[in-house]
Order: sequence, then structure tokens, then C-alpha cells
Amino acid sequence: DVKVTQSSRYLVKRTGEKVFLECVQDMDHENMFWYRQDPGLGLRLIYFSYDVKMKEKGDIPEGYSVSREKKERFSLILESASTNQTSMYLCASSPGDRDTGELFFGEGSRLTVL
Amino acid sequence: RKEVEQDPGPFNVPEGATVAFNCTYSNSASQSFFWYRQDCRKEPKLLMSVYSSGNEDGRFTAQLNRASQYISLLIRDSKLSDSATYLCVVNEGDRSNTGKLIFGQGTTLQVKP
Repeated sequence: DVKVTQSSRYLVKRTGEKVFLECVQDMDHENMFWYRQDPGLGLRLIYFSYDVKMKEKGDIPEGYSVSREKKERFSLILESASTNQTSMYLCASSPGDRDTGELFFGEGSRLTVL
Repeated sequence: RKEVEQDPGPFNVPEGATVAFNCTYSNSASQSFFWYRQDCRKEPKLLMSVYSSGNEDGRFTAQLNRASQYISLLIRDSKLSDSATYLCVVNEGDRSNTGKLIFGQGTTLQVKP
């Protein structure tokens, strides 16, 4: 089974802090994604990556950056956390060339910014 | 207008009932379509793809109407374990481009004994 692991299930941070959310997948997938999920808004794509050291902006990249130094790891960085970044963050991966359109999600990281 | 629109519900139905969820999408160039299921406090998981000819997986039937830009999911003989949020997902890119997946906000189903 595909395993997508997010490093922290719950985090509480203060406004202005730098926040790192880590994601690792173990199925040699090419594509990795970061979404945030908010009530009434559904899942919104923040950033995605089709290859190592490659990144593309999604629909709501402002206030976020990402890093993909290794194929299996995709990190989301909040340079200076703000209260409107309180959300559930979901990492996902997909095979790439062998894509069926299915995304494999991690369990999510619930971030609260005070 | 939202790109993928669903009735958020909640839909409260008794066990054994048949329930249908609808979804509309705005981009007529969308290429592929899916239903995902998300249990409370869990991650979304693929339930089924939606094909133009319609497709069935046990008690679940998915249909696509490209002309009306409309997708449906029918659940027959509802079980308590079907209680979840069902996400309509549209791929605006080509089939290999999962970066173009657009998620609806989800429809919540609660099946009661």
C-alpha cells in the first residue's frame, strides 16, 4: 500500500513563527502536492511538484513556499505564520507517468496559529 | 461561481435508503472525473472514477453528463458505514496531470439506524 506520512498531526504556533510541515511517500511517486482544507471551501492546492527540485504554484501559494530536495520528501514552509493560515494541511502524491488521476493523501496536519 | 459545486448537505437517511449526490462543474474542457470519500477526521480516498458511459461498483453508481456538466453518485441500500463526506473531483488537465484536480467542498452523508 502507498504510504504518505506527514510528520505532525497537530501543531500550535504563534503569529510570525516559521513553520515546517514535512511529508514523505514510500512508493517512488513522481508527483507530490500540498493542499489545505477549510470548512465550506474544500481542498485548495497550494503547491505541487512533478520532480525533484521542481515546484509549481497552485491556486493559493501566497504565504507559503515548498522544498523538494529528494523524490520522497516534499516540505511546506510558512515563512511567517498568520492566523488565517490556521487550517488542515494535506499532503498527497501520485505516480506520474502511470497516473490514473488518483491522489494518495497523508493523514493531515492540523495547524493552529495563535 | 465555484468551479466544482456540490450541495453540502448534510443528507440524513435511514439504513437501506437510496441516496443520490449531484455535482456540477464549470470547465467544459475537463477531462476526467472522480468521487472521493472522506471519513471524519481522516484523509480523502478515491471511491471511484466516473466514466462517460456510467459505471457501477457494488452499491455505488457514478454517472457523467458532459453536455450538462453534471456528475452524480448513487448509493443503494445505504449502510451505517457509508456515513462520510463525498467529494466530487474534476481533472481540468489531461489524464496524467493530477495537478489540475479541482475538489468540490463535499456532501456529507449520515446514515441512521
